[in-house]
Amino acid sequence: GAGVSQSPRYKVAKRGQDVALRCDPISGHVSLFWYQQALGQGPEFLTYFQNEAQLDKSGLPSDRFFAERPEGSVSTLKIQRTQQEDSAVYLCASSYRDSKQFFGPGTRLTVL
Amino acid sequence: TQLLEQSPQFLSIQEGENLTVYCNSSSVFSSLQWYRQEPGEGPVLLVTVVTGGEVKKLKRLTFQFGDARKDSSLHITAAQPGDTGLYLCAGGSNSGYALNFGKGTSLLVTP
Repeated sequence: GAGVSQSPRYKVAKRGQDVALRCDPISGHVSLFWYQQALGQGPEFLTYFQNEAQLDKSGLPSDRFFAERPEGSVSTLKIQRTQQEDSAVYLCASSYRDSKQFFGPGTRLTVL
Repeated sequence: TQLLEQSPQFLSIQEGENLTVYCNSSSVFSSLQWYRQEPGEGPVLLVTVVTGGEVKKLKRLTFQFGDARKDSSLHITAAQPGDTGLYLCAGGSNSGYALNFGKGTSLLVTP
């Protein structure tokens, strides 16, 4: 595809459920980023991959959050035992190395 | 964390009016970026300013980077309904690769 795609676009989870959010970056983009955007806020950095290596996970809010990119392309952000405070839009971005970042449309997660 | 403060938080104007939004920090940035985000979409890069005092124009949008590289402004001339959206400024973080965003200015332009 031409851009970054994310799925699902919307996810409703009951508190305590596990969720998995998928990101398909632009083909050939080495770098991949996950951001969390709470309502009325700007995006906040969660984690960064270069190819399959997770080089920075300092923004992950708790050990319930886990991200992987096993083949250096598609990435999955997993949240275990979801809590209401996890409700947000999760944005994925990719770039060719560390140049301009292209963002996907995001996954809106609502935890009831 | 290098904080970026944006003002105003909300702005509602009529078509044809001019407006300016601001992005301020106490920290020096090597560059600042401006994004526009429409509902249900991810941010889209509008411009990157790099040099202190730099002015860049993109059609009716004028971006300025402060001399000390701590602040930036976005001026829109003759706003149109298509300009409606969330305007975000972002600077590089200490990591050098992650972006550090402000909270954004939500702009509504009514016909």
